[in-house]
Amino acid sequence: EIVMTQSPVTLSMSPGERATLSCRASQSVNINLAWYQQKPGQAPRLLIYGASTRATGIPARFSGSGSGTDFTLTISSLQSEDFAVYYCQQYNNWPPWTFGQGTKVEIK
Amino acid sequence: QVQLVESGGALVKPGGSLRLSCAASGFTFSDYFMTWIRQAPGKGLEWVSYISSSTSTTYYADSVKGRFSISRDNAMKSLYLQMDSLRAEDTAIYFCARMALWEGAFDSWGQGTPVTVSS
Repeated sequence: EIVMTQSPVTLSMSPGERATLSCRASQSVNINLAWYQQKPGQAPRLLIYGASTRATGIPARFSGSGSGTDFTLTISSLQSEDFAVYYCQQYNNWPPWTFGQGTKVEIK
Repeated sequence: QVQLVESGGALVKPGGSLRLSCAASGFTFSDYFMTWIRQAPGKGLEWVSYISSSTSTTYYADSVKGRFSISRDNAMKSLYLQMDSLRAEDTAIYFCARMALWEGAFDSWGQGTPVTVSS
């Protein structure tokens, strides 16, 4: 099973700042990596797939990068609606599909 | 638009059973692989089960293998999760999610249905 590790656990940021979230896989997942956003009481929403492709309707301020074992989600300028929990997920080797433990982006 | 609506969550005693349903609309259900993913209170996401579009292939997380059974009815555009021998650690919100056609990411999710296992 591939273990996904996200850092940091919590990111305290101010609106307008640039946020950088990291995700590391225990072995290579090529570019088979997705990012999701989850707000309280809501289902997760797909942001990025293929490590760097934005899903339909996702604003351009969200970008993903990386390949192999190290990945990054960048939010170029945080908006109020971006404060949420973000999860990475690998789909290179399945089953099982595995998620990171999440990074909470909170208002500083 | 794509819609997934789960139902069937409830409070159940340890050892009990429950059947979750997920009604799909807005897309050709029979074309897509489908999954169940759960989230325990205050915790992260855990993949639970997968079923191929034709129902020929199913997979389960080790934590539920032998206790849960996934199925689908393409004519009814519905996905199911039969949960038996429930344990306290199965307490979670259960989401059904669609796997993107050319990717392994989950591109659409339902709102979730809560399952509580407690005496």
